[in-house]
Amino acid sequence: QVQLHESGPGLVKPSQTLSLTCTVSGDSISVGAYYWSWIRQLPGKGLEWIGNIFYSGSTDYNPSLKSRVTISVDTPKNQFSLNLSSVTAADTAVYYCARGRSEYYFDYWGQGTLVTVSS
Amino acid sequence: QSVLTQPPSVSGAPGQRVTISCTGSSSNIGAGFDVHWYQRLPGTAPKLLIYGNSYRPSGVPDRFSGSRSGTSASLAITGLQAEDEADYYCQSYDSSLTGSKVFGAGTKLTVL
Repeated sequence: QVQLHESGPGLVKPSQTLSLTCTVSGDSISVGAYYWSWIRQLPGKGLEWIGNIFYSGSTDYNPSLKSRVTISVDTPKNQFSLNLSSVTAADTAVYYCARGRSEYYFDYWGQGTLVTVSS
Repeated sequence: QSVLTQPPSVSGAPGQRVTISCTGSSSNIGAGFDVHWYQRLPGTAPKLLIYGNSYRPSGVPDRFSGSRSGTSASLAITGLQAEDEADYYCQSYDSSLTGSKVFGAGTKLTVL
């Protein structure tokens, strides 16, 4: 069974960088069939795709966040990570990592982690 | 504002049939990109419910079905049960936003 688990600070100060890691078990990131993705849910709003990374390191980002987002992969550790720079209160959200299929859907999700941006 | 439009809420009595609509545009659903649906039960992560417009992953009851036509898609739930009370999200791909997977704002299903 594929499982994903997000980890990282639950509180980040404004203007700093939000950093989260997703650890994958039950599958290997380096298999190469999937896009490892970050998605968030802003309070009271819907889901927003942040971006994804392929095992080779190629990335796609949401155009609205592209200037602040970096997603990286660590295949030996079977992890991928999210960095979101210059955060504001508007970035407060539940952040999910997920496994994306080439047909553009997400078949496995982590439980999500709440990140609050506040001083 | 979400690229895909869903009704904020729908409701139905146990045993009834409800549908949830998802309206897009010519750059996403209307361009032929598939629609996928997710169910988010309270306090849990989203779960894939329908992929490729109408396919159910293993373990999803056949009470759930999906369809797509033109620039819209629908999720139908028959034989409504109390445990179906959840938020439902549609998702597709938008060609006007490079590499973008887009979601609807979600629909809250209440079982009366």
